[in-house]
Amino acid sequence: AQSVTQLGSHVSVSEGALVLLRCNYSSSVPPYLFWYVQYPNQGLQLLLKYTTGATLVKGINGFEAEFKKSETSFHLTKPSAHMSDAAEYFCAVSDWGNKLVFGAGTILRVKS
Amino acid sequence: DADVTQTPRNRITKTGKRIMLECSQTKGHDRMYWYRQDPGLGLRLIYYSFDVKDINKGEISDGYSVSRQAQAKFSLSLESAIPNQTALYFCATRDGTNTEAFFGQGTRLTVV
Repeated sequence: AQSVTQLGSHVSVSEGALVLLRCNYSSSVPPYLFWYVQYPNQGLQLLLKYTTGATLVKGINGFEAEFKKSETSFHLTKPSAHMSDAAEYFCAVSDWGNKLVFGAGTILRVKS
Repeated sequence: DADVTQTPRNRITKTGKRIMLECSQTKGHDRMYWYRQDPGLGLRLIYYSFDVKDINKGEISDGYSVSRQAQAKFSLSLESAIPNQTALYFCATRDGTNTEAFFGQGTRLTVV
């Protein structure tokens, strides 16, 4: 069964600094991987996804993630944090069985 | 109008009461999901459905039941609500294993 581990329930960065949110997954078959963002009092919005092909995936709002099969990781990065990036971020994994499993989430705080 | 609509948006109910949360979608997707969100635990899968004849339990189905009345409608019921079912509930839909899920705005349920 697939699972997701997000390291760090809270991450704090200064405005303009690098954002790095960590995600490791477990899947018995090649996975499909997703990052979602949730702003306060809202639903979830897709940031980016990896299905096949290029392992470096670019998403909305300047975010990107790299699929590393050998490390079973799919970390999310952004070169320069903005105040508007403050939100909760979720990594998710899906396989051929149609389940979509989420990690526990990481709350990103951006300091001015 | 939203692609995925959840009703009600907020509900307070008493212990032991039966309550139904409803979800409808206009995306034409076959796959529908119910999740609950709790702080620090992320989104946990309650039930998922591939079509009207296929219902599957997720990781935390105890105390819940579902009904897929049509391709576009997927309802979640709490037969006898208890306080630890207080949570934010999300419905989601998608049309394939490697595609993104679209989420409703959530239902905030409080059981007193």
